[in-house]
Amino acid sequence: GAGVSQSPSNKVTEKGKDVELRCDPISGHTALYWYRQSLGQGLEFLIYFQGNSAPDKSGLPSDRFSAERTGGSVSTLTIQRTQQEDSAVYLCASSLGTLAVSYNEQFFGPGTRLTVL
Amino acid sequence: AQTVTQSQPEMSVQEAETVTLSCTYDTSENNYYLFWYKQPPSRQMILVIRQEAYKQQNATENRFSVNFQKAAKSFSLKISDSQLGDTAMYFCASLNPSNQFYFGTGTSLTVIP
Repeated sequence: GAGVSQSPSNKVTEKGKDVELRCDPISGHTALYWYRQSLGQGLEFLIYFQGNSAPDKSGLPSDRFSAERTGGSVSTLTIQRTQQEDSAVYLCASSLGTLAVSYNEQFFGPGTRLTVL
Repeated sequence: AQTVTQSQPEMSVQEAETVTLSCTYDTSENNYYLFWYKQPPSRQMILVIRQEAYKQQNATENRFSVNFQKAAKSFSLKISDSQLGDTAMYFCASLNPSNQFYFGTGTSLTVIP
């Protein structure tokens, strides 16, 4: 596609339910990033993938959060037993390659707004 | 851990005027990148400008320029000839060699016609 896409754009769920957020990166981008943006806050870095592997998962807020990427393309962020404090916009970004090797611009998706009632 | 601080939650500027957004950061790294991102109401984050820490020359992109003071760990964004389309949230961010981004809390900029 032309850009990074995320689905759903909005998700309302009840406390305790599990949710899956999806990110489709730009074709050919090997690096993929997940962020959380809470109301009135900046972006909180959650996790990044180089290909299908995530070298560092320490940014995930709790063990209720997990992420995977398959085929070097689509990624899903799963939140189990959602809590009200999980309400936020979840942003995904992709880039051509790992930033540490050579700088590649991150392209962001429009985000998924998650509301936990 | 790195921290990025934006001390101006809200700012406004008259159309065609110049405005400067402040950002300070804290890092123990010697090699890192700094960025300014724009987030309009559509939520789409857009890269405005970036600066490599090892470069002394300030980055410039058309009407956008930075004042990078490495010793002071300051990275301000100057927007010249402000336009209505510049109205957005602006985030300052740093990237460390471990591929971790750190964002400030943002500055909401309003351009007044």
